[in-house]
Amino acid sequence: NAGVTQTPKFRILKIGQSMTLQCTQDMNHNYMYWYRQDPGMGLKLIYYSVGAGITDKGEVPNGYNVSRSTTEDFPLRLELAAPSQTSVYFCASSYRIEGTEAFFGQGTRLTVV
Amino acid sequence: QQQVKQSPQSLIVQKGGISIINCAYENTAFDYFPWYQQFPGKGPALLIAIRPDVSEKKEGRFTISFNKSAKQFSLHIMDSQPGDSATYFCAASLAYSGAGSYQLTFGKGTKLSVIP
Repeated sequence: NAGVTQTPKFRILKIGQSMTLQCTQDMNHNYMYWYRQDPGMGLKLIYYSVGAGITDKGEVPNGYNVSRSTTEDFPLRLELAAPSQTSVYFCASSYRIEGTEAFFGQGTRLTVV
Repeated sequence: QQQVKQSPQSLIVQKGGISIINCAYENTAFDYFPWYQQFPGKGPALLIAIRPDVSEKKEGRFTISFNKSAKQFSLHIMDSQPGDSATYFCAASLAYSGAGSYQLTFGKGTKLSVIP
């Protein structure tokens, strides 16, 4: 059981480049999330999805886009990368059940230079 | 605006001692309060969680104490071990309110070091 899988694990981007962070889960979870983690700042929600075709903004959505065409996949797109987007990105998923646990992937460490 | 405030930022505890991490929240509508544990290079993983209708929940060496009137909750780790060394995040969400997304609002984290 793979759980939540993120690729790539590490990436260096130049300012202005674009990239897609991949996230897939094999637990048939309805809900999926993207968080970014900066040192000493906890995790902040970028975007979330409550099901295929439905996405919504979180606390820090600027500079990012998402799509959810299938239950399994929830890619995060960075357009025109900026140094402020240097962070560790975590994808998570959960069931559509009250109080359920969110399962996190192992993260993607992104550096924008 | 930080909705969940966590302290301390770092904590050093002797092996066998008690580790205590505190969190305070602002939104009285929050109805689910989990704690996540994160080891270096890994994603956070659920450790223990509580709902506001109980004042305490214990699982093994880990206990959550909840004070609804003060809008505070804390994690106690009894008999702390070097293997407990990790970053701990408190969080809050509207899990039972029907708001729909169960998104978590996290504290900034506490780095716990348990020394032999």
